[in-house]
Amino acid sequence: DAGVIQSPRHEVTEMGQEVTLRCKPISGHDYLFWYRQTMMRGLELLIYFNNNVPIDDSGMPEDRFSAKMPNASFSTLKIQPSEPRDSAVYFCASSLSAYNQPQHFGDGTRLSIL
Amino acid sequence: AQSVSQHNHHVILSEAASLELGCNYSYGGTVNLFWYVQYPGQHLQLLLKYFSGDPLVKGIKGFEAEFIKSKFSFNLRKPSVQWSDTAEYFCAVKSGGYQKVTFGTGTKLQVIP
Repeated sequence: DAGVIQSPRHEVTEMGQEVTLRCKPISGHDYLFWYRQTMMRGLELLIYFNNNVPIDDSGMPEDRFSAKMPNASFSTLKIQPSEPRDSAVYFCASSLSAYNQPQHFGDGTRLSIL
Repeated sequence: AQSVSQHNHHVILSEAASLELGCNYSYGGTVNLFWYVQYPGQHLQLLLKYFSGDPLVKGIKGFEAEFIKSKFSFNLRKPSVQWSDTAEYFCAVKSGGYQKVTFGTGTKLQVIP
C-alpha cells in the first residue's frame, strides 16, 4: 500500500517567496495532520482536518501560514511570505477515524528559507 | 490539556545493553498511548501502541512498553539494543475521544558498537 506522499522532499527558497507543500494521505484515511519539526521546538501540530474540513488550526503560527484540503486525496500547506525562521521539516500524517488508530507519517519536506 | 514528558533527552548505550526510556503523560481519563521511532533523515514510524487490555504491549523490533495507569507512565524497553536502534524515540498520547495527538519532545538514542 502506498503511504502518505509528500512533495517536494526538499525546498530551498529565498525569504519573501511563497512556498507550497503538498500531501496525499493514505486512501481511506479521513484525518489529515500537518506538523512542523525543529530542533528547538520538536514536533508541533499545526492543523488537522477531518473529512476535508479543518478542525483545529490553533497551532498555525501566523497568518502567513494557510492550509487547504480541497478533496480527500490532497492537501496543501502554504507559507506566504516565507521567512528564515520557517525553516524546518514539515510532516504530513493521516489516520483512520477509529479512536485507537495511529497516525501514519509521510517522509516530510525539508524547507530552508535563505 | 494533555501533555507528555520524556525526561531523557539523549541516551548513549553500548550494543547489548538494556534500554528503558521514560514517558509520563498528564490526563486523567481514557488514553491511547504510542511510541514512534524516527531514524536519521526519515519519517516517524509506529513502534507500538496501547489502547486497552494487557498493559504490557509488544511492538516491532523487540521493543515493548508497559502502561502503568497509577503512575501515568508508558515506558519503552528493549532488553538488548543494537547499533541499528540509533534513532529518536517519541512518546505520544491521544485522549478524550479526540484525534489530536500530543507528542513528547523525543529522546535521542545513540548505540555505540
